[in-house]
Amino acid sequence: AQKVTQAQTEISVVEKEDVTLDCVYETRDTTYYLFWYKQPPSGELVFLIRRNSFDEQNEISGRYSWNFQKSTSSFNFTITASQVVDSAVYFCALSEAYMRFGAGTRLTVKP
Amino acid sequence: KAGVTQTPRYLIKTRGQQVTLSCSPISGHRSVSWYQQTPGQGLQFLFEYFSETQRNKGNFPGRFSGRQFSNSRSEMNVSTLELGDSALYLCASSTGQVINYGYTFGSGTRLTVV
Repeated sequence: AQKVTQAQTEISVVEKEDVTLDCVYETRDTTYYLFWYKQPPSGELVFLIRRNSFDEQNEISGRYSWNFQKSTSSFNFTITASQVVDSAVYFCALSEAYMRFGAGTRLTVKP
Repeated sequence: KAGVTQTPRYLIKTRGQQVTLSCSPISGHRSVSWYQQTPGQGLQFLFEYFSETQRNKGNFPGRFSGRQFSNSRSEMNVSTLELGDSALYLCASSTGQVINYGYTFGSGTRLTVV
């Protein structure tokens, strides 16, 4: 069965620090999609990025960047120069018939 | 373009009662999925409806059921509520190609069973 592991339960950083959220997945499929979502205190899950299994290019979007490594089954997410507004729970997810989420990492950015 | 709308936002029910939650997907989206989120179990998939048919189902007891209407709006029902059903219930809509494009989520319905 597919599985998504986010080993970091909680991370606390001071504003302007860089932070990396880890995600490791397991799947037997050769074609699959990986996602990151952000859940602020309001509760709504906000889509951040989608990556398919054939595209191992790293991606940068402003202060966000993602490192997909198929060889280690990892899809890590880095926030550069973190801000207080980045405080949220971040979920990594793997999609086959439906989306399976990791347990989430709660990020707290202190001023 | 309106987002995914879930009603009500908050609900308090007594053990043994039943509850119905509603979700209106993004216009044009034909797939609606439901998730239960609890501190202990995280985000767990309940079921997915596509064109009024249940397409996928998670590992939940039969007390949890759902349906989808011709306008793609979906409802989920929980009968004989238990204390452990207290959770945030999230609805997600998709064009239908979930594995390709992912979901757009609603703000959720927070159910408290007392």
